[in-house]
Amino acid sequence: DVKVTQSSRYLVKRTGEKVFLECVQDMDHENMFWYRQDPGLGLRLIYFSYDVKMKEKGDIPEGYSVSREKKERFSLILESASTNQTSMYLCASSPGTEESYEQYFGPGTRLTVT
Amino acid sequence: DQQVKQNSPSLSVQEGRISILNCDYTNSMFDYFLWYKKYPAEGPTFLISISSIKDKNEDGRFTVFLNKSAKHLSLHIVPSQPGDSAVYFCAVSGRNSGNTPLVFGKGTRLSVIA
Repeated sequence: DVKVTQSSRYLVKRTGEKVFLECVQDMDHENMFWYRQDPGLGLRLIYFSYDVKMKEKGDIPEGYSVSREKKERFSLILESASTNQTSMYLCASSPGTEESYEQYFGPGTRLTVT
Repeated sequence: DQQVKQNSPSLSVQEGRISILNCDYTNSMFDYFLWYKKYPAEGPTFLISISSIKDKNEDGRFTVFLNKSAKHLSLHIVPSQPGDSAVYFCAVSGRNSGNTPLVFGKGTRLSVIA
């Protein structure tokens, strides 16, 4: 069974704080993704990574950065948290082969910025 | 511009009846289609998929239909159960794109009433 874990289920941070969201997958997947989910907006892609040290911007990268130093770990960084970054953050991974399109999601981190 | 549209934000169905969730896409290059289910405070879980070479795929109570000429897919759940109450996301992928992120719709909230 694929397992994607996220470091926190709930997080409360203050405006201006630097925030780290960690994601780890245990299936040796090539690809990893960060999304945020907001009511009425669905899942929006923030960043993704094809390989270690590789990163690509998604649809809404502004205000975020990422780090992938090891294959199994993909971190999302909010350099200076703002209230409009209050959201559910979802990490996902996928094998990265042409035969497999399915993405596996972690449980999510509900971040509140006050 | 939305590439994947789920035009019904919500749907209510009585227990035992059929639930039909719809999804439209704009790009004929999409060739793999997935449905995900999401409960509150959890990550999305994969439900069922279909490739463009098929027009129907069944898995127990869940059936996905694909109409390529109309660029439309639908998910049928029969009989619907209260545990099916969740948000359902349609997702699509492009040809030979195992490394490309899925494109998600905004979701439809299904409520199954006992």
